[in-house]
Amino acid sequence: DVKVTQSSRYLVKRTGEKVFLECVQDMDHENMFWYRQDPGLGLRLIYFSYDVKMKEKGDIPEGYSVSREKKERFSLILESASTNQTSMYLCASSLRGTRAYEQYFGPGTRLTVT
Amino acid sequence: AQKVTQAQTEISVVEKEDVTLDCVYETRDTTYYLFWYKQPPSGELVFLIRRNSFDEQNEISGRYSWNFQKSTSSFNFTITASQVVDSAVYFCALMFSGAGSYQLTFGKGTKLSVIP
Repeated sequence: DVKVTQSSRYLVKRTGEKVFLECVQDMDHENMFWYRQDPGLGLRLIYFSYDVKMKEKGDIPEGYSVSREKKERFSLILESASTNQTSMYLCASSLRGTRAYEQYFGPGTRLTVT
Repeated sequence: AQKVTQAQTEISVVEKEDVTLDCVYETRDTTYYLFWYKQPPSGELVFLIRRNSFDEQNEISGRYSWNFQKSTSSFNFTITASQVVDSAVYFCALMFSGAGSYQLTFGKGTKLSVIP
């Protein structure tokens, strides 16, 4: 089974702190994604990566950056956390190729910024 | 631009009732893919089905069935004889096939509550 793990289920940080959210997948997937999920807004794509050291902005990249130094690991960074970044963050991975493959999701990290 | 609309925000049904979750999409692409995901209370999204734009055959998997109609840009999901374990948020999503770019656009989700 594909397994996508996220470093924390719950996280509480203070405004202005630098926050790292880690995601690891064990299926050698090329693509990795970071979403945030908010009530009434569904899932929105923050960033994705289709290869090591490659990244593309999603729909809401402002206030976030990402890092992919190894194929299995994709990090989301909040340079200076703000209260409007309180949300559920979901990581996903998928194969890349000539077909659109389903994305496999991690359990999510619920981040609260106070 | 791509868009997915799930007009039903919340639905409540009594156990054993059938329920249909609606999904309407917009895209200018001729090649695209449609997905349904389930998010139980535990939080992890679970993949249910993928459909490509060239395959309009309906699909049935146990109590689940999907009705894809390009003419109305809809990809509806029906649960027959609902059970309490079906209680979850269900997301419909659209993906287009571009040069290595496989982004999903999600609807806002429908929260289904099945009452015993």
